[in-house]
This record gives sequence, structure tokens and C-alpha cells, in this order.
Amino acid sequence: DAKTTQPPSMDCAEGRAANLPCNHSTISGNEYVYWYRQIHSQGPQYIIHGLKNNETNEMASLIITEDRKSSTLILPHATLRDTAVYYCIVRVALAGSQGNLIFGKGTKLSVKP
Amino acid sequence: DGGITQSPKYLFRKEGQNVTLSCEQNLNHDAMYWYRQDPGQGLRLIYYSQIVNDFQKGDIAEGYSVSREKKESFPLTVTSAQKNPTAFYLCASSTQQGENNEQFFGPGTRLTVL
Repeated sequence: DAKTTQPPSMDCAEGRAANLPCNHSTISGNEYVYWYRQIHSQGPQYIIHGLKNNETNEMASLIITEDRKSSTLILPHATLRDTAVYYCIVRVALAGSQGNLIFGKGTKLSVKP
Repeated sequence: DGGITQSPKYLFRKEGQNVTLSCEQNLNHDAMYWYRQDPGQGLRLIYYSQIVNDFQKGDIAEGYSVSREKKESFPLTVTSAQKNPTAFYLCASSTQQGENNEQFFGPGTRLTVL
């Protein structure tokens, strides 16, 4: 089972920031938070990951709370092409089944003009 | 271009027939994965392989088989024993699992069993 909880759906206006929350209250000290997204009928795409510190790349920012029990993915200026299902995943950085990604149902983000 | 390919994009088969889905990668990745996705659901892991000639069952391996004879290829066979084979099948690859285990996904194969 997925170890994360996400809202099933969210809307965002085009050009505004999209803030996608994720709860992972049972996260272990050696587990990372990963975000992927899946545009309709395509394979998922990696976005970003982090352990404790906030992270930023060309796609998004990841804010992890100090107790690590929740995180927020931020798309700073959402476009229509950002409409997708966003998956928040926790995993250990190990080989084998422990390190596999477990996808829940994610959050369906709809960016509206 | 480097990437991961799956073929065909759409596949139709009659009930009771085995069918093999292709997955090829030229990213020089050691690890490869097969997932299944049903409508409105997340991905579920079928099989994974960390190295050539070795593979492990995932969460829903029953009715499926795989082989990993070459680093670049990880074909999945959906056998007649799989009770509900109609689904969207996704293949992925990654470097040896560690912190930066970003998985690269193929475009998927949508299998419909009639």
C-alpha cells in the first residue's frame, strides 16, 4: 500500500502557482519523498525528490516540513500542459523491493485558462 | 536519442492467448520494471529486474512472466492464466537503485483482450 495521502483532485488557474500537498506521517528517517506526474495515457515523468531540505529544479519546488510528515510540491507558474495526475511517493534509497516505487492514486491537477 | 520504447502502443488479443509486450532501453540502465495501470488507479508493480539474467516478482506477478537475457530488453508475457489482462502496461528503467533512482518510463502499451 502507498504510504502517502493526497487529495484526489485540485484545480489551478493558468499562470498561478499550484501547491500540491502530500501527507506521509509514517515516513522513516531513511525514506525520501519523490514526486512524479502522469499526463493522460502517457508514462509517468519524474519531477523532483528530497530527504529533509527543500529542493528546487527547473520544473518545481519541493517543501518538506521539519518533522517530515508532510510535503508540498509547488509548480510556480502553472500552464495548461501541467494538467496531469501527480504522485507523491516515499521510498528508501536501497536496491531490492524495499527501494521500489509504490504509486497511490495521486492528485489529478486541472489547470484552467 | 536515448530513451525507453514500448511496442506496440495498442494491442488486441483474443481471450486464452498469450501475448508478449516489448520494452527496450538504450540508457544503459541496469534496472528495469513492469507496471500495470487500471482506469483511475495508480501503478502496480508486476516484475522488476536489477541485472541481466535476474528478475523478481512484484506485487501482482501471477499470470505474467518475464525474461532479461539482454541489458537493453525486458519483455513481458501476459499468459492466459492472467484473469483480467486488459490494462495499460508501463515499462520503466533506472540506474542501480540508490538515492537518485529516477525511473524513466516508456509510453505504455494498452492491451485489450476480447
